[in-house]
Amino acid sequence: SQELEQSPQSLIVQEGKNLTINCTSSKTLYGLYWYKQKYGEGLIFLMMLQKGGEEKSHEKITAKLDEKKQQSSLHITASQPSHAGIYLCGADNGGSNYKLTFGKGTLLTVNP
Amino acid sequence: GAGVSQSPSNKVTEKGKDVELRCDPISGHTALYWYRQRLGQGLEFLIYFQGNSAPDKSGLPSDRFSAERTGESVSTLTIQRTQQEDSAVYLCASSLVGLSRDTQYFGPGTRLTVL
Repeated sequence: SQELEQSPQSLIVQEGKNLTINCTSSKTLYGLYWYKQKYGEGLIFLMMLQKGGEEKSHEKITAKLDEKKQQSSLHITASQPSHAGIYLCGADNGGSNYKLTFGKGTLLTVNP
Repeated sequence: GAGVSQSPSNKVTEKGKDVELRCDPISGHTALYWYRQRLGQGLEFLIYFQGNSAPDKSGLPSDRFSAERTGESVSTLTIQRTQQEDSAVYLCASSLVGLSRDTQYFGPGTRLTVL
């Protein structure tokens, strides 16, 4: 079965700093999803990547999928306290497999 | 509604009691999923419903867990004879058609605590 490892497990940054969160798979990533989770708010969908080398951006968040499709990174530029939360990567196994496997998450704290 | 809703938001129960968790998917979404998130763990897939097809129950951890869905609307997840290891956040998600690459939108979850 596919396993996703996220690093770091937790991260504390000063407001305004840039940061990167990584998600590494033991198998090829056919669909890679990034979600953000805040207490009481469930998971908020951020972006989905599926092509090797693909990069997507939304506001100050950029997600990339490497050419080999086994690693994804999430980069936040000029972090703000509103970026704080748990970032989760999830992946499907390709084909018609709709089930998502998730990493354990990265807890981000942004100090003002 | 605008998003996936779940109720209750919190549930505290005693070991051995049955609990029922509810999920209202986004209107028009034919696929519905239940996941479980235990402390320090990633989300675990539990069950998947797609239209009138037989649900995929492969993720249910034991026969104490069951789920139903009425048509393409509300779903209930029932846990019988709850155990302390059942304590977790139970998350429901829905998607438009339920195929891979179909974005799953999650509800806020139900936090279950079994004493």
